[in-house]
Amino acid sequence: SQKIEQNSEALNIQEGKTATLTCNYTNYSPAYLQWYRQDPGRGPVFLLLIRENEKEKRKERLKVTFDTTLKQSLFHITASQPADSATYLCALEGDYKLSFGAGTTVTVRA
Amino acid sequence: EADIYQTPRYLVIGTGKKITLECSQTMGHDKMYWYQQDPGMELHLIHYSYGVNSTEKGDLSSESTVSRIRTEHFPLTLESARPSHTSQYLCASSGGVGETEAFFGQGTRLTVV
Repeated sequence: SQKIEQNSEALNIQEGKTATLTCNYTNYSPAYLQWYRQDPGRGPVFLLLIRENEKEKRKERLKVTFDTTLKQSLFHITASQPADSATYLCALEGDYKLSFGAGTTVTVRA
Repeated sequence: EADIYQTPRYLVIGTGKKITLECSQTMGHDKMYWYQQDPGMELHLIHYSYGVNSTEKGDLSSESTVSRIRTEHFPLTLESARPSHTSQYLCASSGGVGETEAFFGQGTRLTVV
């Protein structure tokens, strides 16, 4: 069956450091992979999409890599700020279904 | 600002009642989704649709049903609510021209007493 796995342990980091989150998947052949941010009590908000032929994508302080051989994506938040504290989800689409990983909660300490 | 709306935002209802959660989007998206999420837990896909008159069950089994008679509207119905249905329900849509990301509504927090 299809699975999306994210590092389940919460990440606590000092302001200014880089947070690195992992997303691994099985039984998908994705054309692209997406990352979302979710704050408590709210729906996820789209951050970045990376396509299968792209190795790396950047948006402001965010960087995503995508390795289809390893079936893994890494999500980096550089120069982290307390406002980056949230849960980050990776998502894949298969057969029209958009499924999400369990998410990794990031807390940035001032 | 995403044009996808869910009503009601909060609903407290007695066991055995029939309820319909509304979801509408004005973006012309073909794909729509319903997710269930308990506080602090992961999102579970319970229903999805890739167009008018298409509905499919998601990864998590649910006693709810959905319909897609119009592109913009994707309501979710529970024929007989139970306390185990207490959760947050999130609706999303995607599939605009050249777009792939999903836009989420504000969610409906359902409590069955």
